[in-house]
Amino acid sequence: NAGVTQTPKFRVLKTGQSMTLLCAQDMNHEYMYWYRQDPGMGLRLIHYSVGEGTTAKGEVPDGYNVSRLKKQNFLLGLESAAPSQTSVYFCASSWGGWNQPQHFGDGTRLSIL
Amino acid sequence: GQQVMQIPQYQHVQEGEDFTTYCNSSTTLSNIQWYKQRPGGHPVFLIQLVKSGEVKKQKRLTFQFGEAKKNSSLHITATQTTDVGTYFCAGRNYGGSQGNLIFGKGTKLSVKP
Repeated sequence: NAGVTQTPKFRVLKTGQSMTLLCAQDMNHEYMYWYRQDPGMGLRLIHYSVGEGTTAKGEVPDGYNVSRLKKQNFLLGLESAAPSQTSVYFCASSWGGWNQPQHFGDGTRLSIL
Repeated sequence: GQQVMQIPQYQHVQEGEDFTTYCNSSTTLSNIQWYKQRPGGHPVFLIQLVKSGEVKKQKRLTFQFGEAKKNSSLHITATQTTDVGTYFCAGRNYGGSQGNLIFGKGTKLSVKP
């Protein structure tokens, strides 16, 4: 069982470039989440999805867009990358809502120069 | 907005010593979850507490949820080098517009052999 798979694992971008981070889960989970983790800041929710075709904003959504066209995939897009978006990005999924354990991927380390 | 404060930020212990991390919320929580993140790894779900005054144990780990459901603690007895990592709590508001899980900033535990 792969669980939650994130691609790519590492990426370096220049300011203004765009990119998409892919998250795939094979557990048939309804809920999926994107977090960013910065030193000393814990995990902050960017966007989440409660099911295929639905997305919602989290705590820090500015500068990011998401799509959930298929239940198993959750994409995070950066339209115009900024140095402030340098971070480690984690995708997670859960069977049900916020009272269910979240299963995390290995993360994507993104640097923006 | 809802905040989940976690203390201490860092804890250095000698192997065999006990360790405790505390999580405090300004609002009543419906549930609280605990996660562990090993260095370079991703958060892994440990446990969820839901009931007022609840106490749960996992081998050397003891988790408590306060009577008022505003605070929680994780206690590790006789730490081992395998306990190294960052421990996060995550809580959700009780009632009304519950919103998403809010993660604390974590307590980073180092264990000296």
